[in-house]
Amino acid sequence: GESVGLHLPTLSVQEGDNSIINCAYSNSASDYFIWYKQESGKGPQFIIDIRSNMDKRQGQRVTVLLNKTVKHLSLQIAATQPGDSAVYFCAEAEYGNKLVFGAGTILRVKS
Amino acid sequence: EPEVTQTPSHQVTQMGQEVILRCVPISNHLYFYWYRQILGQKVEFLVSFYNNEISEKSEIFDDQFSVERPDGSNFTLKIRSTKLEDSAMYFCASSERIYQETQYFGPGTRLLVL
Repeated sequence: GESVGLHLPTLSVQEGDNSIINCAYSNSASDYFIWYKQESGKGPQFIIDIRSNMDKRQGQRVTVLLNKTVKHLSLQIAATQPGDSAVYFCAEAEYGNKLVFGAGTILRVKS
Repeated sequence: EPEVTQTPSHQVTQMGQEVILRCVPISNHLYFYWYRQILGQKVEFLVSFYNNEISEKSEIFDDQFSVERPDGSNFTLKIRSTKLEDSAMYFCASSERIYQETQYFGPGTRLLVL
């Protein structure tokens, strides 16, 4: 079936460096994508979203890139901080309201 | 900042017992959801709810599960006869609209079935 998957299960970066977390999706009909951050014992926290009519969207220290040609989504975090350490999930939705989550990438920030 | 709240934070129950998980969505939101996350696994969609009806449900959401909006603020998930494999984190989420709309998640209820 259609699914969302992540390439790298764990990413370790030095504090202050930029982080890039990748996500591949397989449902070409998906038209909405979200990145969530999940800290241990907490619920997913919204970071940024992007609609399929865009290829880039920026937030505070974060940028999401969408490449529909290769069905790839990435999250860039600038000047990564220790507080950014968490599991990051991408999720996709086709028309409607069901989110399909990826497996998650662990981001570890080294001080 | 408005947020989704959930109670209880932890629930331990015996297999075969009924549990009710409670959620208070963000007040102006109209669409409500339940997801679950088995330890170490992906977050999985269970059900969505709008206008006092289920909009969509997954294969996981079988006859043992039900949802209800008993009043103007609460949204509940009931598991009639819990099984060991129901042990998971259960997350409630809500959104203002349905299409291409951010879903905001609560902190979750950790359910342990013994």
